[in-house]
Amino acid sequence: GNSVTQMEGPVTLSEEAFLTINCTYTATGYPSLFWYVQYPGEGLQLLLKATKADDKGSNKGFEATYRKETTSFHLEKGSVQVSDSAVYFCALSDSYSGAGSYQLTFGKGTKLSVIP
Amino acid sequence: KAGVTQTPRYLIKTRGQQVTLSCSPISGHRSVSWYQQTPGQGLQFLFEYFSETQRNKGNFPGRFSGRQFSNSRSEMNVSTLELGDSALYLCASSLAGSYQETQYFGPGTRLLVL
Repeated sequence: GNSVTQMEGPVTLSEEAFLTINCTYTATGYPSLFWYVQYPGEGLQLLLKATKADDKGSNKGFEATYRKETTSFHLEKGSVQVSDSAVYFCALSDSYSGAGSYQLTFGKGTKLSVIP
Repeated sequence: KAGVTQTPRYLIKTRGQQVTLSCSPISGHRSVSWYQQTPGQGLQFLFEYFSETQRNKGNFPGRFSGRQFSNSRSEMNVSTLELGDSALYLCASSLAGSYQETQYFGPGTRLLVL
C-alpha cells in the first residue's frame, strides 16, 4: 500500500534559519505529492504540490522537488519567520486506485516552532 | 469564491449517541472527501463521494457512513459513538477527485465523546 514517512519533530528554529523537513514515500502508481500546513485550530491549507517527477513546487518561499529516484519530496525554506510556526504534512495521491477515486495519504506531520 | 464550510465546528456527545456532520464544498466542486484526524493515528481517509455516489472508502467500521446530495453538499454520520471517535473531522473538496487535483480543506468539526 501507499505510505508517507516524514520527520516528526518537533522542530525548533530561530528566525531566519534554514528549514528542511524530510519526506519519503511509497506508492503503487505515479503519485502527485503535496505539502499541507495546519495552523492551530484550523484545517489544512495547501502549501505546494508537484504532479510529476522533477517538478518543483514553490509558494511563500517554500520549495520542494519531486525526486522519483529517491522517492522523496523534502520541504525547504531559506529563512523561516515566526509566522511559519505550524504543523506541516507531506501527502500523496496515487494515480492507481482500484476504486476509481483518489484519496490523500498523509505523513504524521512535523510541528515547527520558530522563535524570535 | 467561498471556501469549504463545515458545521458545526464543535460537538460534545456521550457514548452510544449518534452524530451528523455537514460539509459544503467550494462552488463547482463535485468531489467531497472526509478525513479523521487524531493525535495517535494522524490523518486517515474515511470516504469520498462524487455525484452522490461513494467511490472509495477507508478502513473504518460500518458505524461511519456518509452521503452526498445533488448540490454536492455532504454529510457524515457516526452511530453508536465510542470514546475513540473523539477527533477532528475534516472535509475536503475538489473538482472531480483526480489524483493531480488539489483538495481544499474546511476548518473541521471537533467532536468530543464523553
